[in-house]
Amino acid sequence: KQEVTQIPAALSVPEGENLVLNCSFTDSAIYNLQWFRQDPGKGLTSLLLIQSSQREQTSGRLNASLDKSSGRSTLYIAASQPGDSATYLCAVWSGTYKYIFGTGTRLKVLA
Amino acid sequence: ETGVTQSPTHLIKTRGQQVTLRCSSQSGHNTVSWYQQALGQGPQFIFQYYREEENGRGNFPPRFSGLQFPNYSSELNVNALELDDSALYLCASSLDSGINYGYTFGSGTRLTVV
Repeated sequence: KQEVTQIPAALSVPEGENLVLNCSFTDSAIYNLQWFRQDPGKGLTSLLLIQSSQREQTSGRLNASLDKSSGRSTLYIAASQPGDSATYLCAVWSGTYKYIFGTGTRLKVLA
Repeated sequence: ETGVTQSPTHLIKTRGQQVTLRCSSQSGHNTVSWYQQALGQGPQFIFQYYREEENGRGNFPPRFSGLQFPNYSSELNVNALELDDSALYLCASSLDSGINYGYTFGSGTRLTVV
């Protein structure tokens, strides 16, 4: 059974800092992994989608990497801003018609 | 191109009542998935519909049911509401099951059962 874990559960950093969010999964047989952002009480906004054949994806200040063999993905945020404050969720697609989500990392960027 | 829209945004129901939540998928998307997100938790898969047929189901009781219409919009119905059904209900659409293109989520419906 696929399980997804995100560490840390919460993170507080000063503005401008580069930071890394971690996601680990127990079954390496995944088709893709998607990172989402969620603002309080709101829906999910897709940030990056990495296919199983890819090692990383980049969008602006965001870079996500995938290491299937070790069951890990990282989301790197460069030059963090207060507007980046949100909960970040990773989800893995394991071929059972659904994404399995982690519980998220709650990020607060201090001005 | 419109995204995924959900209605209503907020809803308060009494225990034992029934509720219907609605979702319009993103233009061109033929698959809709529903998730339940309790406070402080990650979303949990309820079920998925592809071309009006249920395509997969999570660990939810039969009182959670759904429909998908020919225009690919969808409904989530919950009967005999329980207090634990209070959550954010998220709808996501995709071009396929999600295997190639991932999901696009709506902004959710916040259901409170009292």
